[in-house]
Amino acid sequence: QKEVEQNSGPLSVPEGAIASLNCTYSDRGSQSFFWYRQYSGKSPELIMSIYSNGDKEDGRFTAQLNKASQYVSLLIRDSQPSDSATYLCAVNIMNRDDKIIFGKGTRLHILP
Amino acid sequence: KAGVTQTPRYLIKTRGQQVTLSCSPISGHRSVSWYQQTPGQGLQFLFEYFSETQRNKGNFPGRFSGRQFSNSRSEMNVSTLELGDSALYLCASSLLAGSTDTQYFGPGTRLTVL
Repeated sequence: QKEVEQNSGPLSVPEGAIASLNCTYSDRGSQSFFWYRQYSGKSPELIMSIYSNGDKEDGRFTAQLNKASQYVSLLIRDSQPSDSATYLCAVNIMNRDDKIIFGKGTRLHILP
Repeated sequence: KAGVTQTPRYLIKTRGQQVTLSCSPISGHRSVSWYQQTPGQGLQFLFEYFSETQRNKGNFPGRFSGRQFSNSRSEMNVSTLELGDSALYLCASSLLAGSTDTQYFGPGTRLTVL
């Protein structure tokens, strides 16, 4: 099992709809979870961090963490064409010398 | 507050050469991590430096090395370049060491090896 897994996509979502991005991880001891957005040719920028089970909301973005099931998700409400990007899930892997491991990302395409 | 800066932004080298990349973290940040990003492998961790000490290292050959200076600026060196080293090299800074703190990425250095 890969340490951090994401569906590579592309995920196509109509403008105005909810985009749902998922990520699973292998290390039960993981404590920190991050979502980054990366536009083509640019560097990743942080959208959300989450550390506790449950939901965390920031504007149109909601991160959801379920440690028992070892998944973290990102919901984007009222999707806009500017949300079209690759979304990277990052998880700290304690059993790998305290490193942050990134998933390969999900490409999101918002259809106007 | 200024963000993370990386120089140079683009580099073209030939096989066998060596290259040095530079990263200046956000003011006050003492941790600098380096990543290699390629279309096939995604973002892969190279190493992390904190207070001039390497805390962690990824699964890369010894040709990849780094260092950090007392002002927290960091350099990464790749010797004996191979075609497969062509990638976007990103550095990220954070206030604290370890994997629990938020990392902020620089714009990256695009390295092409011919």
